[in-house]
Amino acid sequence: GQNIDQPTEMTATEGAIVQINCTYQTSGFNGLFWYQQHAGEAPTFLSYNVLDGLEEKGRFSSFLSRSKGYSYLLLKELQMKDSASYLCAVLDSNYQLIWGAGTKLIIKP
Amino acid sequence: IAGITQAPTSQILAAGRRMTLRCTQDMRHNAMYWYRQDLGLGLRLIHYSNTAGTTGKGEVPDGYSVSRANTDDFPLTLASAVPSQTSVYFCASSDSSSGGAGELFFGEGSRLTVL
Repeated sequence: GQNIDQPTEMTATEGAIVQINCTYQTSGFNGLFWYQQHAGEAPTFLSYNVLDGLEEKGRFSSFLSRSKGYSYLLLKELQMKDSASYLCAVLDSNYQLIWGAGTKLIIKP
Repeated sequence: IAGITQAPTSQILAAGRRMTLRCTQDMRHNAMYWYRQDLGLGLRLIHYSNTAGTTGKGEVPDGYSVSRANTDDFPLTLASAVPSQTSVYFCASSDSSSGGAGELFFGEGSRLTVL
């Protein structure tokens, strides 16, 4: 079966760096997405990786290793507003999005 | 810019009743989707539409139906609601019809409680 694994919850300190991991086992691969979802709100797009390597976008970076079935989202200079759930999703060979359950990130002052 | 509008934002419904969740987008996206989100689970696709006039079943289609009469509207109907359909429902759209290789834009969600 298809599976996306990410930690349920993580805690980090304001101003610090946090890495949220995502491992996947899917039938084929056509890209990996990260979305941010604040409590009670809709998910919003953060990043898309289809090739191996690191994509940097401001304080957020996303890394992909297709051979390892692994991605991470790196958040730098954490701010209180970064408290949210982070959703990992993989586009499989049929171009269907498979979603992880999300990682709830708690930022403490 | 409205993006995607869902209605209602919240609804309490008696089991057995019929309910339609409305979704309208003004971005002229060809692909639209309905997801449900439950605690501890990833977003699960209910139905999708790659273009006006066509629809397809997702991972959890039972008990739900959709229609896509035009580009902008994609309503989701629960013919006879059951308590297991209590969830938060998200409508989304994408400008890529190749199965969603493009970024998804989500509505604000409809919280449905079936008693």
